[in-house]
Amino acid sequence: AQTVTQSQPEMSVQEAETVTLSCTYDTSESDYYLFWYKQPPSRQMILVIRQEAYKQQNATENRFSVNFQKAAKSFSLKISDSQLGDAAMYFCAYSNYQLIWGAGTKLIIKP
Amino acid sequence: EPEVTQTPSHQVTQMGQEVILRCVPISNHLYFYWYRQILGQKVEFLVSFYNNEISEKSEIFDDQFSVERPDGSNFTLKIRSTKLEDSAMYFCASKASLYNEQFFGPGTRLTVL
Repeated sequence: AQTVTQSQPEMSVQEAETVTLSCTYDTSESDYYLFWYKQPPSRQMILVIRQEAYKQQNATENRFSVNFQKAAKSFSLKISDSQLGDAAMYFCAYSNYQLIWGAGTKLIIKP
Repeated sequence: EPEVTQTPSHQVTQMGQEVILRCVPISNHLYFYWYRQILGQKVEFLVSFYNNEISEKSEIFDDQFSVERPDGSNFTLKIRSTKLEDSAMYFCASKASLYNEQFFGPGTRLTVL
């Protein structure tokens, strides 16, 4: 069965600094998608970035980028120039058909 | 930009009552999902729906739960006899094809007293 592990329950970073959130997953599939979702205090689920497993190039979205290591089954999220509005829970998710979620990492931004 | 909508945003009910959570997926999407998130816990898959039938469901999705797409636009989750432990945020999601990303609604916060 597929699993997603986020080993950091909480991370903090100084405003304008860079932070990396870790995610590992386990699957026997070769084709799948990986996602990072942001959940602010409003509890709405917002897609931050997605990565197709067949693509070697790491996905980027403005200040957000991923380090996708398929062989290691690792999918970390890097947030550059952290802003106060980035404070939220961040969930890593794996999708082959349904979404399998990690436990989340709470990101705190220090002003 | 099209979005998934959910109503109500917050539902308070008494234990043992039936509730229906409503979702309007994005209009050209074909795959529909319900997830729940108990406060402080990870998001859990409940059920997926395609071609007017359940395609997959989790162990959580027992006989107390049912889903329906009654009119081609709404996608509902019914909990027949709510329990205290059903209190959670319920997210609806939809996607256009099997390997596309899922788009999430804003969620319905269900509180069972």
